[in-house]
Amino acid sequence: DQQVKQNSPSLSVQEGRISILNCDYTNSMFDYFLWYKKYPAEGPTFLISISSIKDKNEDGRFTVFLNKSAKHLSLHIVPSQPGDSAVYFCATRGTSGSRLTFGEGTQLTVNP
Amino acid sequence: GAGVSQTPSNKVTEKGKYVELRCDPISGHTALYWYRQSLGQGPEFLIYFQGTGAADDSGLPNDRFFAVRPEGSVSTLKIQRTERGDSAVYLCASSKAGTATTDTQYFGPGTRLTVL
Repeated sequence: DQQVKQNSPSLSVQEGRISILNCDYTNSMFDYFLWYKKYPAEGPTFLISISSIKDKNEDGRFTVFLNKSAKHLSLHIVPSQPGDSAVYFCATRGTSGSRLTFGEGTQLTVNP
Repeated sequence: GAGVSQTPSNKVTEKGKYVELRCDPISGHTALYWYRQSLGQGPEFLIYFQGTGAADDSGLPNDRFFAVRPEGSVSTLKIQRTERGDSAVYLCASSKAGTATTDTQYFGPGTRLTVL
């Protein structure tokens, strides 16, 4: 059973516009949520996170929104830049352990 | 400072052979994790070390997989009698303590394992 799902395998946006990446989870025990970015031939790089006690966290061009009642997480990137083109993974972590549970990833392409 | 490093970057082996994958975590990080990423999927947890001991090995798929971290730093993931289905990118990550929910995991570039 896939506990974390990213339903869009790919997303294409114009430079300067907003990118919105979505993620759904099923386990209400998850209490910490993260986004990682991955370039080809590199490992995932931590981008931004949010605790379950918050509904929004902002860091520069990146904002993560959490809707606990809907078990939904989203990442907004604005304005999008060509260098943002990468695979984005959402990940979750529960109170009982340190392991991360990842979604399948969304390939973001930002066109100049 | 240096990040997480993994060797080799690529490993091609034949079905039935034994392989070892190495991970050098960030200096001073007590927690170390192994994940496996298959094509088109996100990383999947395998095992977590806190210091020298495996605190959670529930992600290891079967007894052909084993990992060690004898001195609490470098870790080796060992796969016996490799099968074609073991082909994947094996990722290692480390974090400062591992016990805090907010502890950030830093990933290495991975080892791409291909079993022919």
